[in-house]
Amino acid sequence: GDSVTQMEGPVTLSEEAFLTINCTYTATGYPSLFWYVQYPGEGLQLLLKATKADDKGSNKGFEATYRKETTSFHLEKGSVQVSDSAVYFCALSDILTGGGNKLTFGTGTQLKVEL
Amino acid sequence: ETGVTQTPRHLVMGMTNKKSLKCEQHLGHNAMYWYKQSAKKPLELMFVYNFKEQTENNSVPSRFSPECPNSSHLFLHLHTLQPEDSALYLCASSPAAAVTSTDTQYFGPGTRLTVL
Repeated sequence: GDSVTQMEGPVTLSEEAFLTINCTYTATGYPSLFWYVQYPGEGLQLLLKATKADDKGSNKGFEATYRKETTSFHLEKGSVQVSDSAVYFCALSDILTGGGNKLTFGTGTQLKVEL
Repeated sequence: ETGVTQTPRHLVMGMTNKKSLKCEQHLGHNAMYWYKQSAKKPLELMFVYNFKEQTENNSVPSRFSPECPNSSHLFLHLHTLQPEDSALYLCASSPAAAVTSTDTQYFGPGTRLTVL
C-alpha cells in the first residue's frame, strides 16, 4: 500500500537558517504530493503541492520538487522565521474509484524557530 | 479560513454518552472526509462521501456512524466510545468534479474529543 516517511522531529533552528524536511514515499500509481502545515490549535492548511514528476511546488518561500527517481518530495526554505514554527505534514494523494481522493500522511515534523 | 467549519471545537463525553460532530463546507465541493488525528500517529482517513454517497469506510468501528445529508454537511455520530478514541477529528472537503489525484483537500479546524 501507499506510505509516506518523514524525518523525525522536533527540528529546532535559529531565525534565518536554511530548512530541509525530508519526505519519501511509496506508491503504486501516479500520486500527487502535498505539504500541509498545522499551527497550534488549528486544522491543516495546504502549503504547496506537485502533481507530476519534476514539478516544483512553491508558496511563502517554501519549495519542494517531485522527484520520481528518488521517490522524494523534500521541503525547503532558504530563511525561516519564528512564525514558521508549526508541524509540517507530507502527504500523497491517490484516486478513489468512487470519487474523491485518498490522502496518506507522514507522521509530521515539528519545526521550532528561535530568535 | 472559514471555508470548512466544525462544531463543537472541544467535546468531553463519557463512554455511555451519544454525541455528534458537525462539519459544514462553504466551498461548493462534492466530496467530504473524516480524519482522525491521534498523538504520535499519522492522520487516519475514516470515511469519504462523494455527492452524498459513502465511497470509503476505512474499517472504522461501528461506534462511529457518519451521515451526509447533502454535499455541504457532514456529521459523525458517536456512541459508546472508548478512551482510546480520544483524538482530534478533522473534516475536509475537495472538489471531486472528476476522478483525479490532484485535488486539494481543505480542512476544518477540528474537534478535540476527550472520552472519559
